[in-house]
Amino acid sequence: AQSVTQLGSHVSVSEGALVLLRCNYSSSVPPYLFWYVQYPNQGLQLLLKYTTGATLVKGINGFEAEFKKSETSFHLTKPSAHMSDAAEYFCAVTAGGSYIPTFGRGTSLIVHP
Amino acid sequence: EAGVAQSPRYKIIEKRQSVAFWCNPISGHATLYWYQQILGQGPKLLIQFQNNGVVDDSQLPKDRFSAERLKGVDSTLKIQPAKLEDSAVYLCASTLGAGLSTDTQYFGPGTRLTVL
Repeated sequence: AQSVTQLGSHVSVSEGALVLLRCNYSSSVPPYLFWYVQYPNQGLQLLLKYTTGATLVKGINGFEAEFKKSETSFHLTKPSAHMSDAAEYFCAVTAGGSYIPTFGRGTSLIVHP
Repeated sequence: EAGVAQSPRYKIIEKRQSVAFWCNPISGHATLYWYQQILGQGPKLLIQFQNNGVVDDSQLPKDRFSAERLKGVDSTLKIQPAKLEDSAVYLCASTLGAGLSTDTQYFGPGTRLTVL
């Protein structure tokens, strides 16, 4: 079985500041990890994913995430926040033969001027 | 390329009534998923289809929920009768391939259901 914990249901940053959204996972087999963004009244959109290979993954809109096996983490970062980044962010994990993703509860990113 | 389409976008019903949601995946996508997203939580998979066959419906409450994908293209999800706890956003997603654990899922905008 796998699980995902997103620390902080809300994260507030100033425009231009560093964005850091935390995700820790639990999996008994090597995981595949995903970050999705959900804008109000819209479906989820994939930001980036880690399957194998390079542990630093670059995604769309300037986001990136690093898979750290020793810390069981996959934190999402962006050097400089934009007002348009305000949204809900979900971390998800699948593992091995399980194609059913487990999602975290989500983190709401608030960007203020 | 058109995305995943869902209708209606919003639905308000009273408990014990029936409701149906429709989803049209991206053209050519073989695998289709229905998720339930309760307010403040992440999406939870209800059912997965590959073409017109059910791959996994282990988390579908079959006493009241049903889903079909008759021609391997669009799909309907039905709740009959609805309960208050069914209030949620119902998301449809699709993947091009067979739904491997590394596949990218493309999500529709969802249907927000409110049960009074």
